[in-house]
Parts: sequence; structure tokens; C-alpha cells
Amino acid sequence: DAGVIQSPRHEVTEMGQEVTLRCKPISGHDYLFWYRQTMMRGLELLIYFNNNVPIDDSGMPEDRFSAKMPNASFSTLKIQPSEPRDSAVYFCASSLFGEKLFFGSGTQLSVL
Amino acid sequence: GQQLNQSPQSMFIQEGEDVSMNCTSSSIFNTWLWYKQDPGEGPVLLIALYKAGELTSNGRLTAQFGITRKDSFLNISASIPSDVGIYFCAGRPYSGGGADGLTFGKGTHLIIQP
Repeated sequence: DAGVIQSPRHEVTEMGQEVTLRCKPISGHDYLFWYRQTMMRGLELLIYFNNNVPIDDSGMPEDRFSAKMPNASFSTLKIQPSEPRDSAVYFCASSLFGEKLFFGSGTQLSVL
Repeated sequence: GQQLNQSPQSMFIQEGEDVSMNCTSSSIFNTWLWYKQDPGEGPVLLIALYKAGELTSNGRLTAQFGITRKDSFLNISASIPSDVGIYFCAGRPYSGGGADGLTFGKGTHLIIQP
């Protein structure tokens, strides 16, 4: 079974540009999480969905960040406009019943 | 939010040595998970613990759910080069019924010296 699939693996963009990160969770999982990882702050939960519905977005840093899950097999995290301080690795994870989380390989985002 | 203290922050060991790391929380947890992250990859689940005192092994890895419910330990026996990476603990507070209760430690960097 394929794991959590994220794209792109690497994204380099200029400040002010829109960035869209994509995630395909493990089939059958009912929870989807977006995390951000930096050296300073470690793994931070940004938002999570249950059955495609956003449950808690209190970790989303600013209104520039938005996430959607239009169906059970796809989610996006969008940053508009992007800033250099958004540079980080963004992970998507999915789970069944919110228990064990299975992570994707991440998107390394660099905002110049 | 919940605080998880993971230690040590980094470890420099010789191949073949045993490794121990731990996580402590400020409140009671009902779930402990241990993950390993290789460079350029996402964290991979190693062991999950659900009961106080529970001891679970996965090959050379052994993890324990502390009896106080506020800590967990991970041991690696006879380390090998592929054990290099970052190990994360993650826990869910006893009062947290939802998935958002999962908190991650800052990680232990395991480095094997030649």
C-alpha cells in the first residue's frame, strides 16, 4: 500500500508568490494533519481534518495560510503571499481514528 | 499547550553501543509514540505504547511507558550505522480525547562515530 504522498518534494519561490503544497493520504484513513518542521520550533501542528472537515486550525500561523480537503484522497496547504520566514519542511500525515500518524516525505520550502 | 522534554538532544556513540533516550511530560499521558526520521524523509513510526508500565520491542528497539504516565523511554541495543537519525517521542495527554492532543518532543539526534 502506498504511503502518504506529498508534492512537490522541493519548492523554491520568491517572496510574495503563492505556494501550494499537495497531499494524498493513505486510503481509508479518516484523519489528515499538516505539520511544519523547523530547527528552532521542531514539529508544529498547523491544522487537521477529520472526514474532510477542518477540526482545529489554531496552529495556522497567519491568514496567509489556508488548507482545504475537498475529498478523502486529497488536501492542499496554500501560502499566499509567501514570506522568507515560511521556509521550512511541511509534512502531511494521515491516521485512522486519530491514533498512529503516518507521515509523508515532506515538502522542503524555500522562500527567497 | 503541552510540553514534552526529550533528552538527550544529541548522542555521539560508537557502533555496537547501546543507546537510551527519554521523554518527560508535565502532565499524565495515555499514549506514547516513538518515531525515527532519516534525512530528507518524514518521521516513521517505530513503537506505540498505550498502558502504563507497558514494554514493547521492535527488533533491537525497546520502548517503555513509564509507570507515572509522565514519561517514556526508548532503548536501542547494539547500534549499527543505519540507526543514525533523529528520534522523536510523541504523546497524547490523558485528558485529550482528540487527535490534536498529540505533542512531539524536539528530537534526539543520534550520531555514530567511526
